[in-house]
Amino acid sequence: GQQVMQIPQYQHVQEGEDFTTYCNSSTTLSNIQWYKQRPGGHPVFLIQLVKSGEVKKQKRLTFQFGEAKKNSSLHITATQTTDVGTYFCAGLAGGGADGLTFGKGTHLIIQP
Amino acid sequence: EAQVTQNPRYLITVTGKKLTVTCSQNMNHEYMSWYRQDPGLGLRQIYYSMNVEVTDKGDVPEGYKVSRKEKRNFPLILESPSPNQTSLYFCASSLDRGIIGELFFGEGSRLTVL
Repeated sequence: GQQVMQIPQYQHVQEGEDFTTYCNSSTTLSNIQWYKQRPGGHPVFLIQLVKSGEVKKQKRLTFQFGEAKKNSSLHITATQTTDVGTYFCAGLAGGGADGLTFGKGTHLIIQP
Repeated sequence: EAQVTQNPRYLITVTGKKLTVTCSQNMNHEYMSWYRQDPGLGLRQIYYSMNVEVTDKGDVPEGYKVSRKEKRNFPLILESPSPNQTSLYFCASSLDRGIIGELFFGEGSRLTVL
């Protein structure tokens, strides 16, 4: 079945440093979504990318979808303590018949 | 307020005692899904439903059942729970206009099976 690999599993940064998490799929995706889960919380939707090569920005967050629609990245510029949490990508293959497949997530730990 | 409601939020039970985790959404969403979250394994899909009376297995369906008799409800049933089903469970829903969009998650249900 479809697999979505996400790296790194953990990332320690100093506050103010940048952070990037990468997502790779074994199959071509219809779309990819990104979620953030704060410690003790539930996943919250951040964004959805649909088009090949698409780039979207939300303030300090930049999301990219690869040209082949098999990989994606989330980049945070100048991290803040409020960015702490786990970031998940979730890929949808084909027409959605298989449901969304989540990556294992990247835990972002920020040291003040 | 638009939301996905799960109950119970916390449950400790014993092996073999049937239990149901309820999930209800008030957004008239067609798509609903159950995930379990375990350390180091991320979110794994158990079952999903594209619409009423339509359910499909996800990646880890063994030991679970679901039903979708009404659009708003999607209960997760553990007929004979075992310790390896100790986990954090999330229900989620989406409008799904042809392609699954934003997932709205419930607060989670932490289940411990002794």
